[in-house]
Amino acid sequence: ETGVTQSPTHLIKTRGQQVTLRCSSQSGHNTVSWYQQALGQGPQFIFQYYREEENGRGNFPPRFSGLQFPNYSSELNVNALELDDSALYLCASSGDPSGYRTDTQYFGPGTRLTVL
Amino acid sequence: AQRVTQPEKLLSVFKGAPVELKCNYSYSGSPELFWYVQYSRQRLQLLLRHISRESIKGFTADLNKGETSFHLKKPFAQEEDSAMYYCALSDDTDKLIFGTGTRLQVFP
Repeated sequence: ETGVTQSPTHLIKTRGQQVTLRCSSQSGHNTVSWYQQALGQGPQFIFQYYREEENGRGNFPPRFSGLQFPNYSSELNVNALELDDSALYLCASSGDPSGYRTDTQYFGPGTRLTVL
Repeated sequence: AQRVTQPEKLLSVFKGAPVELKCNYSYSGSPELFWYVQYSRQRLQLLLRHISRESIKGFTADLNKGETSFHLKKPFAQEEDSAMYYCALSDDTDKLIFGTGTRLQVFP
């Protein structure tokens, strides 16, 4: 069983640039969630994708956008980068979301984004 | 508003001492509560969830709806328990709401 992978590991950008982060879900999983973890904080939910459709969004501006592909891998895009976007970005995959119970989310190692 | 509060940033104990990591939450519905752990240089991973009622690595957590708490406990801490612990809540949209985390240091 292959775990969740993310690329790149580290990234340095300047203010105003755009960035794309990538995530490959664990085999058998069709749901991907993205989280932002600022220094000293817990992960904060950005959005979730289920079968290529956005399935919930946290309190993040529209310049944070995403995609999920037919193989359930996913991208997180951030436009017009700001200094406060510097954080660890975590991707987590899980099975079908349901209203009965929450499937366990399996996290990737994260991408460390630094905005200068 | 949905919120998870972990009041302690750091908890230091000696090996063999009991450990209690506190977690309080606010949520209007019936939440699902989790504890996630991150060991040094490893990824975030699920430790336990309240619906399983399991004991993992000697840790237990009981959901107290009256006190809106989900404290994590272990009777005898081990050095390998040193890690960052996050309490999380899941609402009915399957997103996880995390606390700010507590770093547990277990000294020999």
